[in-house]
Amino acid sequence: QQPVQSPQAVILREGEDAVINCSSSKALYSVHWYRQKHGEAPIFLMILLKGGEQKGHDKISASFNEKKQQSSLYLTASQLSYSGTYFCGPKRGGADGLTFGKGTHLIIQP
Amino acid sequence: EADIYQTPRYLVIGTGKKITLECSQTMGHDKMYWYQQDPGMELHLIHYSYGVNSTEKGDLSSESTVSRIRTEHFPLTLESARPSHTSQYLCASSGSTSGKETQYFGPGTRLLVL
Repeated sequence: QQPVQSPQAVILREGEDAVINCSSSKALYSVHWYRQKHGEAPIFLMILLKGGEQKGHDKISASFNEKKQQSSLYLTASQLSYSGTYFCGPKRGGADGLTFGKGTHLIIQP
Repeated sequence: EADIYQTPRYLVIGTGKKITLECSQTMGHDKMYWYQQDPGMELHLIHYSYGVNSTEKGDLSSESTVSRIRTEHFPLTLESARPSHTSQYLCASSGSTSGKETQYFGPGTRLLVL
């Protein structure tokens, strides 16, 4: 089943923070986060495994709460380059593909 | 930089034609995937493969078929294209390192069926 992402879209000023949430109705093995810019292929951001893991890359970080079957992506002091559509892709098993959410459209304005 | 390639990048074809979308990767990944994505919409997994001679259907039902005869090659075929098949098709591959599987996406094939 498809995970639920919120919000569907958000518009920010450069330097503002954003949180994107992803929740699943089924038990998760891991959560992948991707960003896709218009007309381009998705680019991998990070993967979180079980155990309440948190990760960060530059000013983008994420958390994974396996008990709640939720993950959140945190964008701090957003930059213009952060604009795009963010997808979470929970993975239920070790071998199957990802079931992506509908995506969150992020627009960063100067 | 991911080494995964898709051809053609754009394809405009008439209804009823048979088409094959090519995907190849040079990373030696066992797992490969096909996703379908309409403009501005989410990605839907339509096929995946664990390795040579392994193919599985994804979450979204698709009239396409796939084959995996070689590790590096995962073509997708539509026997008779229809306008409803118009979409973008993204190929991806992943390799497992310590249980962490990052999927690398190809540039995609934009298909328009007239």
